[in-house]
Amino acid sequence: AQSVSQHNHHVILSEAASLELGCNYSYGGTVNLFWYVQYPGQHLQLLLKYFSGDPLVKGIKGFEAEFIKSKFSFNLRKPSVQWSDTAEYFCAVRNTGNQFYFGTGTSLTVIP
Amino acid sequence: EAGVAQSPRYKIIEKRQSVAFWCNPISGHATLYWYQQILGQGPKLLIQFQNNGVVDDSQLPKDRFSAERLKGVDSTLKIQPAKLEDSAVYLCASSHRDYLGNEQFFGPGTRLTVL
Repeated sequence: AQSVSQHNHHVILSEAASLELGCNYSYGGTVNLFWYVQYPGQHLQLLLKYFSGDPLVKGIKGFEAEFIKSKFSFNLRKPSVQWSDTAEYFCAVRNTGNQFYFGTGTSLTVIP
Repeated sequence: EAGVAQSPRYKIIEKRQSVAFWCNPISGHATLYWYQQILGQGPKLLIQFQNNGVVDDSQLPKDRFSAERLKGVDSTLKIQPAKLEDSAVYLCASSHRDYLGNEQFFGPGTRLTVL
């Protein structure tokens, strides 16, 4: 069965600290990769996506992610977090059958 | 463009009662998804439609859950009878069909509490 693993369940950082959230998936075929964010009280929103080309993708609000095919990974990064980045972050994979699989999420708390 | 609409936003029922959720996807989106998101977990796909046909319902508890998308637009998800463990947020999402790199657009969800 296909799966998406997010290694960090809860992350607490101070403002201006750097962020890296891990995401690994298990699927041998072509995939599209996504990071979604869910701010408190809001619905899921797309942060960034990868479907082909440059494996380093940039998203909104200064986030970026790198697709490393050999490691089946798509880690999310941000050089300097802000209090407003406090949210739940979900990694998702879409396979060639247009099926989406989500990770269990990482809760990020940024302390001012 | 208008987003994915869902109703109701909140629902409280007692166990063994029935409940139905409604979703209206973004206009022109052929693919519609229903997810269950239990507190502290990621969304779990329940059922996926392509137009009015079911693509994947492997994780739908078919003894109590049902879903339909009769005209290939709106969809309803029903639970009958509900159990305590069905308490969750039920998310509807839609996407374009066969578009490489397509993303899902999510609705606000329906928060179900089963007492």
